[in-house]
Amino acid sequence: DSGVTQTPKHLITATGQRVTLRCSPRSGDLSVYWYQQSLDQGLQFLIQYYNGEERAKGNILERFSAQQFPDLHSELNLSSLELGDSALYFCASSVGPGGPYEQYFGPGTRLTVT
Amino acid sequence: GQQLNQSPQSMFIQEGEDVSMNCTSSSIFNTWLWYKQDPGEGPVLLIALYKAGELTSNGRLTAQFGITRKDSFLNISASIPSDVGIYFCAGQLTGSNYKLTFGKGTLLTVNP
Repeated sequence: DSGVTQTPKHLITATGQRVTLRCSPRSGDLSVYWYQQSLDQGLQFLIQYYNGEERAKGNILERFSAQQFPDLHSELNLSSLELGDSALYFCASSVGPGGPYEQYFGPGTRLTVT
Repeated sequence: GQQLNQSPQSMFIQEGEDVSMNCTSSSIFNTWLWYKQDPGEGPVLLIALYKAGELTSNGRLTAQFGITRKDSFLNISASIPSDVGIYFCAGQLTGSNYKLTFGKGTLLTVNP
């Protein structure tokens, strides 16, 4: 158990819908990262938050957004869903700038768009 | 952008054999991480490497950070059935953002 929690475990929804994925980092970690894992693209970085502020963006679509709340949990919002958004979405956490830099991953949310 | 080439893509070995896999990058990283992922689960951190040339062990696992900072390898000695899974390398540039760039993974199958 990495100490990172994610809910829900599975999510099935229709095209055009909007969903919210939730992540709670390990105790003491201030940085949260979101990754998408698909068969064709592998594990891809989406976005990073540190202590409530956005720090870095990767290959995140404009239809996707995220935020980190004062209690440090984070939510990834996916809207206008398309079939191609079906993937595993992982949250990872780390202490933050200054290290240590290891990222610990949650169990993931499997999103299926039908 | 940065790309990681991880090889081999898959390996089929007998229990008790040693395994070696590696990652090479088109650009340098200052941290290398190795993860193992079981089906339907999140990646689990195995080893973290922070210095060029560093050799680190975690039980039967040994990983090295290449001197050029563009490569890393992972060895597993005396494999056992529970070593089955997908192994990922990940490079990180600390000091700017801290995102991980992942290889495509090595699928390891261990025949008992």
